[in-house]
Amino acid sequence: RKEVEQDPGPFNVPEGATVAFNCTYSNSASQSFFWYRQDCRKEPKLLMSVYSSGNEDGRFTAQLNRASQYISLLIRDSKLSDSATYLCVVNPGTNDYKLSFGAGTTVTVRA
Amino acid sequence: DTEVTQTPKHLVMGMTNKKSLKCEQHMGHRAMYWYKQKAKKPPELMFVYSYEKLSINESVPSRFSPECPNSSLLNLHLHALQPEDSALYLCASSTRTGENYGYTFGSGTRLTVV
Repeated sequence: RKEVEQDPGPFNVPEGATVAFNCTYSNSASQSFFWYRQDCRKEPKLLMSVYSSGNEDGRFTAQLNRASQYISLLIRDSKLSDSATYLCVVNPGTNDYKLSFGAGTTVTVRA
Repeated sequence: DTEVTQTPKHLVMGMTNKKSLKCEQHMGHRAMYWYKQKAKKPPELMFVYSYEKLSINESVPSRFSPECPNSSLLNLHLHALQPEDSALYLCASSTRTGENYGYTFGSGTRLTVV
């Protein structure tokens, strides 16, 4: 079983729609969770860390469910510029410096 | 603008060439990383340097040789690469502050081996 699994999508949504997707992780001892955004042929950029109580940054909301071992990302009022691949990244707790990456969820927002 | 600077942005090299990738950060981060990313795949960890010492080598072939001259610089020396080594090579850095920290990635070097 992979350490981090994501629905690859693609999620094709119209502008203004809400889109949400999950990421599951296998190690219950995982400590830190992140969502990164990666545009085509660009580097990954940290979108947001995910905290136990859930957190929001503008139109983006991240949730953590430790009991079911998944994190989620919700994007409200989607913009064309939100089109990207969203990488779920987890610190599995085995080594502070080693993060596990999901394969990414592709989101395409259409006009 | 990224705070991790990688050079060159693009590199084409023959299988007998020797080249180096460079990475620089001035954020005071004490952990630096090399990742390799193939198209439509997530980044794969290659090396980790912590406080300028090699901390993790993910069984990378010896044709890739990392070097950390100081706390701000990270190099990746390349020699006798194969075409399948063509990929985006990403440098990243991080600092441990509390339980949550993330990487800052450089914009990468797109390497083509011919």
